Amino acid sequence: DAGVTQSPTHLIKTRGQQVTLRCSPISGHKSVSWYQQVLGQGPQFIFQYYEKEERGRGNFPDRFSARQFPNYSSELNVNALLLGDSALYLCASSLSPPRDRDIYGYTFGSGTRLTVV
Amino acid sequence: RKEVEQDPGPFNVPEGATVAFNCTYSNSASQSFFWYRQDCRKEPKLLMSVYSSGNEDGRFTAQLNRASQYISLLIRDSKLSDSATYLCVVREDTGRRALTFGSGTRLQVQP
Repeated sequence: DAGVTQSPTHLIKTRGQQVTLRCSPISGHKSVSWYQQVLGQGPQFIFQYYEKEERGRGNFPDRFSARQFPNYSSELNVNALLLGDSALYLCASSLSPPRDRDIYGYTFGSGTRLTVV
Repeated sequence: RKEVEQDPGPFNVPEGATVAFNCTYSNSASQSFFWYRQDCRKEPKLLMSVYSSGNEDGRFTAQLNRASQYISLLIRDSKLSDSATYLCVVREDTGRRALTFGSGTRLQVQP
């Protein structure tokens, strides 16, 4: 079975440009979350989507947006790129809908490494 | 103050050693707890969930103290392949249910 797939794996962009990152969840998973991991830090939550609806948003500026498609794949868009947006962007999928005391963690894709120059 | 705090390390230990990592969290609404492992330049992978009663998976033992908001991971008989960064993760079980990660503790097991 395919795991969480993300594309592209690496990307170099210039300040001010826009970027779109893509994620396909594990088959059967309806929830997709996006995380940003800068060097030396743990991942930080950006968005969570379930059934094409945004279910949560982290402390990121409006330059960050996302959407989920009917096939549960997702895109993360970042506008007006800044040098500080350079990071590993991780997509995670899970079986959610959220249930009480769901003990399962999330499965992460291998990420997109974005470098802004 | 960070929501999840970990000693960044690095912990340099010889093969066969026992090593313990600690983690504290500040959000008392946190309900689920995990340890993830992350190899250099790779994605985090779930190592184990953490339960109040404590749980063990082979050489790995995790403990949770809800009253102290403290989580631990013990690795016995360290192997070279255990070298990685260990991320302490908490999650609220209501609302957005996002994972909150610590910055990770780096372990280097030496021959």
